[in-house]
Amino acid sequence: EPEVTQTPSHQVTQMGQEVILRCVPISNHLYFYWYRQILGQKVEFLVSFYNNEISEKSEIFDDQFSVERPDGSNFTLKIRSTKLEDSAMYFCASKRLTYEQYFGPGTRLTVT
Amino acid sequence: SQQGEEDPQALSIQEGENATMNCSYKTSINNLQWYRQNSGRGLVHLILIRSNEREKHSGRLRVTLDTSKKSSSLLITASRAADTASYFCATLGYSTLTFGKGTMLLVSP
Repeated sequence: EPEVTQTPSHQVTQMGQEVILRCVPISNHLYFYWYRQILGQKVEFLVSFYNNEISEKSEIFDDQFSVERPDGSNFTLKIRSTKLEDSAMYFCASKRLTYEQYFGPGTRLTVT
Repeated sequence: SQQGEEDPQALSIQEGENATMNCSYKTSINNLQWYRQNSGRGLVHLILIRSNEREKHSGRLRVTLDTSKKSSSLLITASRAADTASYFCATLGYSTLTFGKGTMLLVSP
C-alpha cells in the first residue's frame, strides 16, 4: 500500500541554522500539507499546498518557513533560521480528492 | 477558532473492555475525523463522519456525532493491547484539519 514517507526521521540542528525537512507524498495525490506537534501538545496545521502554490497557511507559518515541490515527487519544508521553539515533530500529509489525509511518520526536529 | 477537545485526557482499561472517548468542538464543521497515533509515530486515519451523519461504524469502531451539542464520541469495543495509542479527533472546516489534544488510551492485557 502506498504511503507518505519523510526524511530524516530525526534532525538535530543549532539555533539559527537552516533546516529542510523532506516528504514524498503518495504519487497520485494532489494536496499536500505540513503539520507540527510540539511535545505534549496538539497537532497544529502549518500550510497546505495545491497546484504548485500555497493554498492556506496558519499564523505559525511566518516568513521563516517556506515550502516547495521541487520536482514531481518531493515536498519540502524549509525553516530559514531555527529557534528553540521550532523543536517539534513535523508531519507531512497528502490527499487526492477525498477528505482523508494520509500522514507520514514525521520528522523529529530538535533545535539546540 | 474551531477546536477538537478530547476527554478524558487519559484512559486505562483491561483487554476486552470497551473504551469511549469524547470530543467537543466550537464552530460548524464539514466533517469530523478520528486519528490514532502510536507513540513516536505518524497519524493513522481511523474514521470520518460527515456533518449530516449521526453514527458510523467501522469494524470495532463506532463514532457518533451530535452537531447540536458540537460533540462526537469514539467507541472501541472489545479492546486489545494493540489498541494502546493516542486518539485524536480532528475537525475539517473549509480545507484544513484542526486537531484536539488527544486521549491517551492504555489497554492492559
